[in-house]
Amino acid sequence: EPEVTQTPSHQVTQMGQEVILRCVPISNHLYFYWYRQILGQKVEFLVSFYNNEISEKSEIFDDQFSVERPDGSNFTLKIRSTKLEDSAMYFCASRPGQAATYEQYFGPGTRLTVT
Amino acid sequence: LAKTTQPISMDSYEGQEVNITCSHNNIATNDYITWYQQFPSQGPRFIIQGYKTKVTNEVASLFIPADRKSSTLSLPRVSLSDTAVYYCLVGVPNSGNTPLVFGKGTRLSVIA
Repeated sequence: EPEVTQTPSHQVTQMGQEVILRCVPISNHLYFYWYRQILGQKVEFLVSFYNNEISEKSEIFDDQFSVERPDGSNFTLKIRSTKLEDSAMYFCASRPGQAATYEQYFGPGTRLTVT
Repeated sequence: LAKTTQPISMDSYEGQEVNITCSHNNIATNDYITWYQQFPSQGPRFIIQGYKTKVTNEVASLFIPADRKSSTLSLPRVSLSDTAVYYCLVGVPNSGNTPLVFGKGTRLSVIA
């Protein structure tokens, strides 16, 4: 069964450094998302992406964040200057184009630790 | 998305049927009810979606009464591996880019 993959599984970085989290969505999916989950808290929406542009973003997704689909298969989330409060699990998700369903396929996540 | 209310946690013994109820009093006509499951340190996983009456798949059943103001996720004969957080979401599924809005969910602990 096809699945969403994410790399790395765990990233440790120092405050102020840039990080890039990578995702490979399911190949025929058209909609892509990033969510995050701070330890012990809710899963929070960050951004959605369709047709090579951002469709919607939350208040969390400020100027420090950016997304890119550089080569038609990868989908990346960049944090330009990490803060301690960016420490969280980051999940990538994708969904097919036409299905009238709330089914999104999530990856295993990248645990980001900012020190 | 409509506001949902679920119990914070539930405990069950292995082999029992577990029913998790979600309240969504302000559900709109076009809203569907969707349940996700999240194991520790993993991404959420879609379980089931329904609009009315009953939906069943290989994992669970979803019961929705006629007024649709609540719904019940039923897990038959749970095992230790069903220990997870279960989320109820209500909204209009479409082919657009609607993000999912997760609440705190129900933490199910299955005990041997």
